[in-house]
Amino acid sequence: GQQVMQIPQYQHVQEGEDFTTYCNSSTTLSNIQWYKQRPGGHPVFLIQLVKSGEVKKQKRLTFQFGEAKKNSSLHITATQTTDVGTYFCAANNFNKFYFGSGTKLNVKP
Amino acid sequence: DARVTQTPRDKVTEMGQEVTMRCQPILGHNTVFWYRQTMMQGLELLAYFRNRAPLDDSGMPKDRFSAEMPDATLATLKIQPSEPRDSAVYFCASGITGVGRTEAFFGQGTRLTVV
Repeated sequence: GQQVMQIPQYQHVQEGEDFTTYCNSSTTLSNIQWYKQRPGGHPVFLIQLVKSGEVKKQKRLTFQFGEAKKNSSLHITATQTTDVGTYFCAANNFNKFYFGSGTKLNVKP
Repeated sequence: DARVTQTPRDKVTEMGQEVTMRCQPILGHNTVFWYRQTMMQGLELLAYFRNRAPLDDSGMPKDRFSAEMPDATLATLKIQPSEPRDSAVYFCASGITGVGRTEAFFGQGTRLTVV
């Protein structure tokens, strides 16, 4: 199946600091999605990126899709305690979603 | 507010027993996924249906797991016999695929513990 590698596995930041998680694939992706899972919760869709080099913003969150469509990143500016959770990228391969291992974000107030 | 509904939310069972997990996808969604989440393996895709037809169940241990969609409002995942290593959170997700944006909407999950 589709392999997507996600780093880092964990990230601890002080509230107000920035955070970035990266997703890499060995093959070209048709699109990539990002999900957030709060502790004890279920994954919730954040965004989908389709075009090469695409950049999308949602308030403090910035999502990028690489030019070669093999990597993606999620950047959070000035983290807040509400950002705590695990962020997953998901590669869409013929409508099957293969999830990365996730980056668990902890934000210290 | 449309949502994916999974039952039961929690299940504790003894090794060797049969376990059935149920999922009601969002009305109108044509695709249903079953995922298993563990600390070690993360989110693993077990099976995937489109328009009720099983398209891929290669992620599932075939000898003990089975997934079905008896109708458009119900998907089931069955484990028989269950083993302690099956302990995990099982998520069902549904979505509309084939029309561009293809996000998956997840249910709350079934936390399975096999003792």
